[in-house]
Amino acid sequence: KQEVTQIPAALSVPEGENLVLNCSFTDSAIYNLQWFRQDPGKGLTSLLLIQSSQREQTSGRLNASLDKSSGRSTLYIAASQPGDSATYLCAVTGTDKLIFGTGTRLQVFP
Amino acid sequence: DAGITQSPRHKVTETGTPVTLRCHQTENHRYMYWYRQDPGHGLRLIHYSYGVKDTDKGEVSDGYSVSRSKTEDFLLTLESATSSQTSVYFCAIRLDRGKTQYFGPGTRLLVL
Repeated sequence: KQEVTQIPAALSVPEGENLVLNCSFTDSAIYNLQWFRQDPGKGLTSLLLIQSSQREQTSGRLNASLDKSSGRSTLYIAASQPGDSATYLCAVTGTDKLIFGTGTRLQVFP
Repeated sequence: DAGITQSPRHKVTETGTPVTLRCHQTENHRYMYWYRQDPGHGLRLIHYSYGVKDTDKGEVSDGYSVSRSKTEDFLLTLESATSSQTSVYFCAIRLDRGKTQYFGPGTRLLVL
């Protein structure tokens, strides 16, 4: 059974720092991996999708990497801003379903 | 919002009453999903659909049923609501398994 873990559970950093969020999964037979952002009381917004054949994806200040063999993905956020404060979730696709991690709650303070 | 709407957005009901939540998409995506999100449990899959009239169970399907009679609508029914079904329910869509999954705004359900 696929299990997805995110570390740390919570993170508080000053504005301007570069930071890394971690996601690990137990079964490397994945189709793709997706990173989401969730603001309090809101739905999930897709940030990046990495196919199993890819090593990384970039969007603006965000860069996500995937190492399928070791069961790890990282989300790198450059020059963090208070507006980046949210919960970040990763999810892996095995067959038809996404399996979610429990998320990292990020707070960026001015 | 990727053309996904959920209705109602908020609902308060009493234990034992039936409740139906609706997810509507305008994107013609094949896959549709229902999740619930609870503190300490994260997002858990209830049911999903991979085509009209094609559905399958997720990890927390007990007490829930679904129907998909047309591509754009996916209904989640609580046959007899219980307090343990108080939660935030999210619908999601995906064109196919290799594509991005998009989420609706959520429905807050309170069962008294």
